[in-house]
Amino acid sequence: ELKVEQNPLFLSMQEGKNYTIYCNYSTTSDRLYWYRQDPGKSLESLFVLLSNGAVKQEGRLMASLDTKARLSTLHITAAVHDLSATYFCAVDQHTDKLIFGTGTRLQVFP
Amino acid sequence: DVKVTQSSRYLVKRTGEKVFLECVQDMDHENMFWYRQDPGLGLRLIYFSYDVKMKEKGDIPEGYSVSREKKERFSLILESASTNQTSMYLCASNLNTGELFFGEGSRLTVL
Repeated sequence: ELKVEQNPLFLSMQEGKNYTIYCNYSTTSDRLYWYRQDPGKSLESLFVLLSNGAVKQEGRLMASLDTKARLSTLHITAAVHDLSATYFCAVDQHTDKLIFGTGTRLQVFP
Repeated sequence: DVKVTQSSRYLVKRTGEKVFLECVQDMDHENMFWYRQDPGLGLRLIYFSYDVKMKEKGDIPEGYSVSREKKERFSLILESASTNQTSMYLCASNLNTGELFFGEGSRLTVL
């Protein structure tokens, strides 16, 4: 059974700092997705990673995938308040189903 | 623009009531999904459907049923709501594989 673990579960960081969120998964997969969720809102797609070594960047966020290590990272550069949200990774089992991590709640303060 | 619409954003129901949550997508996607989201547990898959009139159980189907009579519409049914079904329910769809598109969510409270 595929398990997806994120850490940390909660991250409080100061504006301007860098940090990385980790997503580990337990079985082989080469497709991973990152989503963002604002409080009271639904999930919005951030990144789609479809192969080993894939790296995607959008603004201050950069996601990467290492399928051999079964690890994806979401790196935050020079955080700003607008990045405060909950971030989920989701792994594709090649069965049309995605298995989600428990989420990382990010809070950026001045 | 991609659109997944859930009919009710907030519902309050009593224990034992029958509850319908409706979801409509306008993207001609084959696959549709119902997840529930609870604090600390992430998103858990209840049911999904890969075609009209087809359905598959997800990880937590107990206490739920679904209906997909038309390609664009996927309904989640709670036959007899219970307090432990108080949750946020998220509908999503995708095309064969990959990236999911989510609706705004339906927050259900069962008293």
